[in-house]
Amino acid sequence: AQTVTQSQPEMSVQEAETVTLSCTYDTSESDYYLFWYKQPPSRQMILVIRQEAYKQQNATENRFSVNFQKAAKSFSLKISDSQLGDAAMYFCAYRSNNAGGTSYGKLTFGQGTILTVHP
Amino acid sequence: KAGVTQTPRYLIKTRGQQVTLSCSPISGHRSVSWYQQTPGQGLQFLFEYFSETQRNKGNFPGRFSGRQFSNSRSEMNVSTLELGDSALYLCASSSDPSAAHSPLHFGNGTRLTVT
Repeated sequence: AQTVTQSQPEMSVQEAETVTLSCTYDTSESDYYLFWYKQPPSRQMILVIRQEAYKQQNATENRFSVNFQKAAKSFSLKISDSQLGDAAMYFCAYRSNNAGGTSYGKLTFGQGTILTVHP
Repeated sequence: KAGVTQTPRYLIKTRGQQVTLSCSPISGHRSVSWYQQTPGQGLQFLFEYFSETQRNKGNFPGRFSGRQFSNSRSEMNVSTLELGDSALYLCASSSDPSAAHSPLHFGNGTRLTVT
């Protein structure tokens, strides 16, 4: 079974600064996707960024980028120029691309990191 | 396009009762999955439906069940409620369940409190 670990329960950053959220995962599969989701107080989970395991290039979406280290099974999220609206709980998640696997179709989430942005 | 709609937003039930939660996916999405979120256990997968068939199920007791209708709307039911069932229940829909890259679109959840 796959596991996802976020070792930072809470992080804080000053507005306009950069912060990195950590995520490690464990899997025996080679074909999978990794995601970062954001959950603000409104409770709705919002996709921030995704990374395909077979792509070596790190994904980037505006101020959000990842550092994907497949061998180390590490998938960190970097938020540049932090804004007050970035304050939320951030979840790292794994999704198998193995259609025959028992974990196919589901997301396995980490425990989450609460990000506070100070003005 | 309207997003994923979950009803009700809040629910208070008593131990031993049963409850039904509803989820309407984004129009055109045929895959619906359910997750339970609690402070202690985090986010856990309940089940996933595609074209009215349950394709995958998480490690939850048989008291948790679900179904999907021909219009892709889904319901989940919890019978004989226990205090530990208090949680935020999130529903998510996807356009292409066969593609792992296809993102899940989540609703705002139903907050269930069992007293």
